[in-house]
Amino acid sequence: EIVMTQSPATLSVSPGERATLSCRASQSVSSNLAWYQQKPGQAPRLLIYGASTRATGIPARFSGSGSGTEFTLTISSLQSEDFAVYYCQQYNNWPFTFGGGTKVEIK
Amino acid sequence: QVQLQESGPGLVKPSQTLSLTCTVSGGSISSGGYYWSWIRQHPGKGLEWIGYIYYSGSTYYNPSLKSRVTISVDTSKNQFSLKLSSVTAADTAVYYCARGLEDWGQGTLVTVSS
Repeated sequence: EIVMTQSPATLSVSPGERATLSCRASQSVSSNLAWYQQKPGQAPRLLIYGASTRATGIPARFSGSGSGTEFTLTISSLQSEDFAVYYCQQYNNWPFTFGGGTKVEIK
Repeated sequence: QVQLQESGPGLVKPSQTLSLTCTVSGGSISSGGYYWSWIRQHPGKGLEWIGYIYYSGSTYYNPSLKSRVTISVDTSKNQFSLKLSSVTAADTAVYYCARGLEDWGQGTLVTVSS
């Protein structure tokens, strides 16, 4: 199975600052990569699919890039509601697999 | 907008079968182009895709669970179901149902304990 590795595990950012999250796949997943946001007690919410396409209703401050094995999620200016855990997930090969998550916390 | 809701026992005894149902509203489960999934999250941990059933009826199970998992669809009730046999404490998790990547249920906690 494809192993997804996210870094850093925790990212401390001040509101209004930029956050850059990384995700690496153990083999190419083409552009079949999604990003999710999860808050405590809630289901994950799809932010990005196809590596760079925002899901319905997702603000433009969220952007995704990359292909193959290296991917990035950028939050251009962190709002208070953005502090959460973020997961990447590949859906190129079965079984679909998730990264271990990056927790974005208030600095 | 489609909504998904998981239901089933919150407590299952070891060695028994965990059974959950996902009821879909706001859309037909038999409409083409979607896959219907079960995903779980162990307490405080990451996410694991258990398996999915495609609208055509094809099923895909995570090899780590394949021998114990069955996913099925009841189009008459607009529901799909998960059965996980021979459960142990390691199967304690929040179980989510989902349509494609975007639409998820709220999740239901299943605890395996005697």
